[in-house]
Amino acid sequence: DARVTQTPRHKVTEMGQEVTMRCQPILGHNTVFWYRQTMMQGLELLAYFRNRAPLDDSGMPKDRFSAEMPDATLATLKIQPSEPRDSAVYFCASGPRGRYEQYFGPGTRLTVT
Amino acid sequence: AQRVTQPEKLLSVFKGAPVELKCNYSYSGSPELFWYVQYSRQRLQLLLRHISRESIKGFTADLNKGETSFHLKKPFAQEEDSAMYYCALSGYTGGKLIFGQGTELSVKP
Repeated sequence: DARVTQTPRHKVTEMGQEVTMRCQPILGHNTVFWYRQTMMQGLELLAYFRNRAPLDDSGMPKDRFSAEMPDATLATLKIQPSEPRDSAVYFCASGPRGRYEQYFGPGTRLTVT
Repeated sequence: AQRVTQPEKLLSVFKGAPVELKCNYSYSGSPELFWYVQYSRQRLQLLLRHISRESIKGFTADLNKGETSFHLKKPFAQEEDSAMYYCALSGYTGGKLIFGQGTELSVKP
């Protein structure tokens, strides 16, 4: 049963520090999505890729967030510098070629103090 | 505008009672609709997709294009059904999902 994996599962850091979150999509999936989940805003799409190319990152604060796919098996989301308002659960999801649905990873729970 | 609306933030029922979680959508086209479930502090799991017309864990959902609704139903709720339920739509393959705000289902013993 193939699954999306994410590391780390939990991260506590101080304001101003750099945070890098990693995602391994399901093998063979060609789309990757980054979401942020908070109590106030619910699920927000931050960025997504198709065949490793960025398609939409309009949901990300550009000055501090960046998303990349160095290869087909790894997607990264970086925050530099981090702020307390970035505290949230960050989910990665991947989607199979030619399909509508997405499959989610377990999330990275980020706390910025 | 593309939008998914789940009017209830919280739905509380007793075990064995019927459940209906409401979802309405706005989309200019023919989207594919989904229900995702998130158990406490876990990943979102795909529960149902409208195109499959299947029943998973006793849940069913019917797409009503006239009313632009995709309500999730279960005839007899179980305590293990307690979770957050998200309705979502996608307008094209490989595209982003548009999520509703979610409904928390609480099934009491």
